[in-house]
Amino acid sequence: EAGVTQSPTHLIKTRGQQATLRCSPISGHTSVYWYQQALGLGLQFLLWYDEGEERNRGNFPPRFSGRQFPNYSSELNVNALELEDSALYLCASSLTGHEQFFGPGTRLTVL
Amino acid sequence: GQQVMQIPQYQHVQEGEDFTTYCNSSTTLSNIQWYKQRPGGHPVFLIQLVKSGEVKKQKRLTFQFGEAKKNSSLHITATQTTDVGTYFCAGRGGSQGNLIFGKGTKLSVKP
Repeated sequence: EAGVTQSPTHLIKTRGQQATLRCSPISGHTSVYWYQQALGLGLQFLLWYDEGEERNRGNFPPRFSGRQFPNYSSELNVNALELEDSALYLCASSLTGHEQFFGPGTRLTVL
Repeated sequence: GQQVMQIPQYQHVQEGEDFTTYCNSSTTLSNIQWYKQRPGGHPVFLIQLVKSGEVKKQKRLTFQFGEAKKNSSLHITATQTTDVGTYFCAGRGGSQGNLIFGKGTKLSVKP
């Protein structure tokens, strides 16, 4: 069974640009979660999607947004990039209420 | 809002010594999960505890869930170099709510 996949692996942008990160969940999983992990820090919850709907949102500004598609894959968009947005962005999928399976992450660098 | 505190932030041990990380929630949890993230890797699910006072073992790892379902601990007996990584607890407030991760305990093991 294929695990959670994320693309791209690495992304380099400059301040003010927009970044789009993609996630494909494990087949059958309807929930997708996005986390930001800055260097040396823990997992900061960004967004939770389930069945195409945004279920919860972490304490991040509105320029962090996303969506979940009918096939349950998901996209995270970060507008007006700032230097402090540089981090590893992790996507996880699960059956609702169960353990989360994480993807390898997208390393975003903002110059 | 719900908060999950985890201590210590760092722990350095000599190989063969024991290790414990503690997790405390500001609210009663429906369940708690533990994850391990190896250096350069992504978090991997270890276990879920659901019942008050529950204790589960995985080889040298012992997980406990407090009677009040507001705290938990992970104890590793006789650490090995393969135990190196960051251990995260993650609490769920309601049965369908998103997980709130602690900041993690980074374990280093000196051979």
